[in-house]
Amino acid sequence: ETGVTQTPRHLVMGMTNKKSLKCEQHLGHNAMYWYKQSAKKPLELMFVYSLEERVENNSVPSRFSPECPNSSHLFLHLHTLQPEDSALYLCASSQGISGSYEQYFGPGTRLTVT
Amino acid sequence: QKEVEQNSGPLSVPEGAIASLNCTYSDRGSQSFFWYRQYSGKSPELIMSIYSNGDKEDGRFTAQLNKASQYVSLLIRDSQPSDSATYLCAGGGTYKYIFGTGTRLKVLA
Repeated sequence: ETGVTQTPRHLVMGMTNKKSLKCEQHLGHNAMYWYKQSAKKPLELMFVYSLEERVENNSVPSRFSPECPNSSHLFLHLHTLQPEDSALYLCASSQGISGSYEQYFGPGTRLTVT
Repeated sequence: QKEVEQNSGPLSVPEGAIASLNCTYSDRGSQSFFWYRQYSGKSPELIMSIYSNGDKEDGRFTAQLNKASQYVSLLIRDSQPSDSATYLCAGGGTYKYIFGTGTRLKVLA
């Protein structure tokens, strides 16, 4: 595996379900990010981790819960989501958390909440 | 509020022409800028990064940065139908990016 991988690629879940998104980076990077991309909106930064420590929680509802067990893996735990949470969820990584580092994205998880 | 603005398009250019994509930003603290290409249904792919005023060329792509005018652009020479995509501009802040909404480019064969 190379680059940044995400699983699953597609997810349909009911409002009462609990699911998790997984991201793995094979680039030796120290920073990882979760973004939400909805139609007609800019990419929204949700969480930032640097060396497994969360450095940003961008006013994200508590129904989204991130976990970073090590610098290569990032999870997003989902529970009691709303239909407006349907979007493309993107994971990215960079060498460090400075805004001067290039970020590389995974393929994304297309989430549909029914 | 810190913003990055792009014309949503679509910008239509004939095959072989130069496509010019523009971006303005409000945060004077941004020092780094990035262009991503995003095909429909796919994730953003990094094309170019630029850190200094002036031009930076990579193959058919040229990024231009003017910090005094707070303006970033991407030129695509010899545009191909495969270049049809949405192009996202991002400004690098202290530890995160601010993204624009993207410009949709259509290259007509």
